[in-house]
Amino acid sequence: AQSVTQLDSQVPVFEEAPVELRCNYSSSVSVYLFWYVQYPNQGLQLLLKYLSGSTLVKGINGFEAEFNKSQTSFHLRKPSVHISDTAEYFCAVKGDGGTSYGKLTFGQGTILTVHP
Amino acid sequence: ETGVTQSPTHLIKTRGQQVTLRCSSQSGHNTVSWYQQALGQGPQFIFQYYREEENGRGNFPPRFSGLQFPNYSSELNVNALELDDSALYLCATALMNYGYTFGSGTRLTVV
Repeated sequence: AQSVTQLDSQVPVFEEAPVELRCNYSSSVSVYLFWYVQYPNQGLQLLLKYLSGSTLVKGINGFEAEFNKSQTSFHLRKPSVHISDTAEYFCAVKGDGGTSYGKLTFGQGTILTVHP
Repeated sequence: ETGVTQSPTHLIKTRGQQVTLRCSSQSGHNTVSWYQQALGQGPQFIFQYYREEENGRGNFPPRFSGLQFPNYSSELNVNALELDDSALYLCATALMNYGYTFGSGTRLTVV
């Protein structure tokens, strides 16, 4: 079974400042990792994903994340945020095989609020 | 426009009733998953269908059931609705078994 812990429920930051949203996971098998963003009253939009290869993954809207297998982390970063980045962000993990095939396990979410 | 359309967008039902939620996906996306997102929570996996057969299920009771059709559309059915079933229900589709595209969801309120 897999689990995901997002270490911060809320992150306030000023516009143009850098931000890091932290995510730790646990799994007994190889994993695929994802970050999704959810704007109010909308579904989830994929920001980026790690499947294999380079541990630094670049996504949309200037976001990137680094997969650290030894620390079982997949933190999301952006060097300079905009007001429009205000949203809720979800980290998710999918195990490679086993029961509950295809299941994405999500963290509880981090609300990013960008202040002017 | 995500390519995944869910209907209806909002729905109010009475406890004990039955509800059907619908999802249509991009052509060729033969994998569809359904998730329940309660207020303030992350989405929880309900089940997944691949080529019209259920091939994965989360910790949800049998009153949650689904169908996937040859045209890649899908339904989520919930019987004997309970107040705790109030949530945003999300459909996600994929061509391969990762990189899911989510719809905008159906907000179900049970009163």
